Amino acid sequence: AQSVTQPDIHITVSEGASLELRCNYSYGATPYLFWYVQSPGQGLQLLLKYFSGDTLVQGIKGFEAEFKRSQSSFNLRKPSVHWSDAAEYFCAVVYTMEYGNKLVFGAGTILRVKS
Amino acid sequence: EPEVTQTPSHQVTQMGQEVILRCVPISNHLYFYWYRQILGQKVEFLVSFYNNEISEKSEIFDDQFSVERPDGSNFTLKIRSTKLEDSAMYFCASSPRVREAHGYTFGSGTRLTVV
Repeated sequence: AQSVTQPDIHITVSEGASLELRCNYSYGATPYLFWYVQSPGQGLQLLLKYFSGDTLVQGIKGFEAEFKRSQSSFNLRKPSVHWSDAAEYFCAVVYTMEYGNKLVFGAGTILRVKS
Repeated sequence: EPEVTQTPSHQVTQMGQEVILRCVPISNHLYFYWYRQILGQKVEFLVSFYNNEISEKSEIFDDQFSVERPDGSNFTLKIRSTKLEDSAMYFCASSPRVREAHGYTFGSGTRLTVV
């Protein structure tokens, strides 16, 4: 069965420090992977996605993620965190059904940024 | 950039009342979805809809839920008799074709509060 694990429920980093949010997936075929960010009470904003090709994917707001098939991971990184990055981050894998695609989400990681 | 539009952004309803959540998917998309996010939890798939019928549904999507595409543009989720535990953020999504998750797009969500 498809699943996504985000091992860290909360992460706190200092403003200006680097960030890595972990994501591990379970999926039999080549995965399509997403990272979304959600501010409290708000919708899902797509940060980046991986479908194929280059395993290092660039996204919006200075985020990047690296797909590592051998580790079944798709970790999100940012070299220097800004206070406005405080939010909840969700990793998701696409499960292809007969008619359509379903996203399976991880439980999320809440990022806190301290000044 | 094309958007998925959801209305209303917030709805408050009394327990036992029927509620209809509305979505306008991207115009050339063929697959439509509803997801639910209970406060503090992850986003969960509810149902997918293709060619005017449900193509897949989760165990959450029981008999009190129904979906419809009443015209060429709207896609609705109806909850027949709301319960307190139906309080959640509901996201609509659409995608262009099967096995093409590139264009998978979420709306900004409807926050449903059942009192």
